Amino acid sequence: GNSVTQMEGPVTLSEEAFLTINCTYTATGYPSLFWYVQYPGEGLQLLLKATKADDKGSNKGFEATYRKETTSFHLEKGSVQVSDSAVYFCALTSGSARQLTFGSGTQLTVLP
Amino acid sequence: NAGVTQTPKFRVLKTGQSMTLLCAQDMNHEYMYWYRQDPGMGLRLIHYSVGEGTTAKGEVPDGYNVSRLKKQNFLLGLESAAPSQTSVYFCASRGTGYDQPQHFGDGTRLSIL
Repeated sequence: GNSVTQMEGPVTLSEEAFLTINCTYTATGYPSLFWYVQYPGEGLQLLLKATKADDKGSNKGFEATYRKETTSFHLEKGSVQVSDSAVYFCALTSGSARQLTFGSGTQLTVLP
Repeated sequence: NAGVTQTPKFRVLKTGQSMTLLCAQDMNHEYMYWYRQDPGMGLRLIHYSVGEGTTAKGEVPDGYNVSRLKKQNFLLGLESAAPSQTSVYFCASRGTGYDQPQHFGDGTRLSIL
């Protein structure tokens, strides 16, 4: 079946540091890939997505590239802010109903 | 702009009690989903619906039932609550475009004593 493996957290960084959160996947067919973010006490919000190989998704300074050869979709940001502190989930869609399969989530804390 | 609304936000139940969680969306979306979120496990799909009057099982359906009598509502029922169902429950909806993202509610925190 499909699965998503994420870098285990928690991750703690200083403000303006470089961020990488690793994500690899196993899937049949050609899944679309997503990063969702969850702020404390809230639901998940879509951060970015990529729908085919070599696509780059980007939003709010975050980027991730769909790498089919390495089955990866790593999240990066050049300079994190305190407001980026949240839990980040990598996910893929599959099936006729486009169900999401999630990774376990990575807690990011950014210190001033 | 409400989006996806879940009620209630918090609930404490005793083992064996029943309850229904309500999800309502105002975006005219065809697809709706129920997930549970447990520490260290991400979100897991319980049930989903591809349209009014349809439901299907997800990854962890045991102990839950769902109904989609109206397009905008998706109900999740626990017939006889068990402590293993203590979790945070999220509802989501999406439109019919192939790569439309799912939109999530703020969750229901459910504790079973």
